[in-house]
Amino acid sequence: DAGVIQSPRHEVTEMGQEVTLRCKPISGHNSLFWYRQTMMRGLELLIYFNNNVPIDDSGMPEDRFSAKMPNASFSTLKIQPSEPRDSAVYFCASSLVAGDYSPLHFGNGTRLTVT
Amino acid sequence: SQQGEEDPQALSIQEGENATMNCSYKTSINNLQWYRQNSGRGLVHLILIRSNEREKHSGRLRVTLDTSKKSSSLLITASRAADTASYFCATDAIIQGAQKLVFGQGTRLTINP
Repeated sequence: DAGVIQSPRHEVTEMGQEVTLRCKPISGHNSLFWYRQTMMRGLELLIYFNNNVPIDDSGMPEDRFSAKMPNASFSTLKIQPSEPRDSAVYFCASSLVAGDYSPLHFGNGTRLTVT
Repeated sequence: SQQGEEDPQALSIQEGENATMNCSYKTSINNLQWYRQNSGRGLVHLILIRSNEREKHSGRLRVTLDTSKKSSSLLITASRAADTASYFCATDAIIQGAQKLVFGQGTRLTINP
């Protein structure tokens, strides 16, 4: 099992540029989550999907943020245009929920720096 | 907010000692989970305790849950240098068939050899 795979591991971009973060969940998992982690705000849930459908995007900070899950094996988080305050580590996680609770499996994150 | 809050924010102990971290939350929960995060890595699930359970063990880990006080504790016995990491509690709920996990701010644990 390769685990949750995120790319890129590091991203440095200039303010105003578009940034796309990618995630491949664990095969067979039916829920996918995007989190953002900063020293000031900790881990924030941005959006999560169930069976490829967005369930709750209330954590998405602004309209500059968008997320898609076109199929069960791929998701993207896009920031357009990026701003310095978007600098953070972005995590993707997946889980299998089938009538009971199950742990989240996290990727190793994408460290985003916007200058 | 349902977010859990860990206490203390940082803890430094000697190898071999026990480490206790606490978590408080605000709303009713179905389950509470504990995760660990090593520097530069994603979170790793440690243990889940259901709302109808009071205590659970897994190896050197012991978790307690007091729903009347809306609090949980994680005890690591006989700590090792490799236990150095940040530890997070997370409360969850099932919403529209999907599990929503909200994490606390974490406790940074340092084990001194």
